[in-house]
Amino acid sequence: EVQLLESGGGLVQPGGSLRLSCAASGFSFSSYAMSWVRQAPGKGLEWVSIMSGSGGSTYYADSVKGRFTISRDNSKNTLYLQMNNLRAEDTALYYCAKVSGCSGANCYRHHGMDVWGQGTTVTVSS
Amino acid sequence: DIQMTQSPSSLSASVGDRVTITCRASQSISSYLNWYQQKPGKAPKLLISIAYTLLSGVPSRFSGSGSGTDFTLTISSLQPEDFATYYCQQSYSTPTTFGGGTKVEIK
Repeated sequence: EVQLLESGGGLVQPGGSLRLSCAASGFSFSSYAMSWVRQAPGKGLEWVSIMSGSGGSTYYADSVKGRFTISRDNSKNTLYLQMNNLRAEDTALYYCAKVSGCSGANCYRHHGMDVWGQGTTVTVSS
Repeated sequence: DIQMTQSPSSLSASVGDRVTITCRASQSISSYLNWYQQKPGKAPKLLISIAYTLLSGVPSRFSGSGSGTDFTLTISSLQPEDFATYYCQQSYSTPTTFGGGTKVEIK
């Protein structure tokens, strides 16, 4: 069964850091780009970041650029999101998702996110 | 960035109704338009990829159409399990962007 399981969320003060993890199983992890998407309470979906299967290409939303870093360990089938200098507006449920149908090695264009985890909650508050 | 505008933001419908949700992109995205269903407390689920390709296991009452800037998700006969929020997403260029969502409620 294809599965994604996020962990690492929690309550953190503004300016603090967290590292989220996403453990993948049931598919060839290194063959697929992976993404983080977040959803603030009661709001819609906001894309955060994407990393190619090899890890050689990454993109970030402007709202997190310079503060968040996406990475992956293909030997452990795990995706990460290092979040630094957290702000109240980063409070959200964070999902990792498997990306399908990438065009090119950098996955600038793709066919959507076909597998999602259950999400991990990040709350930034003093 | 490409802006995605969904309409309506919410609708009330009855079981058996035909429901149509539209999504408009701020520039041409070819057919790189995906539709997701999200139920309360659950992760989004990809229903339709690249404008009209139904994912495996998705009921045939769901269909997608459109290209360029204007797209449509149609539910031909609304079922009780279809009450949810639906999002469109363009995956033509990075950053990928989502529409604001359409909440389908029971009339």
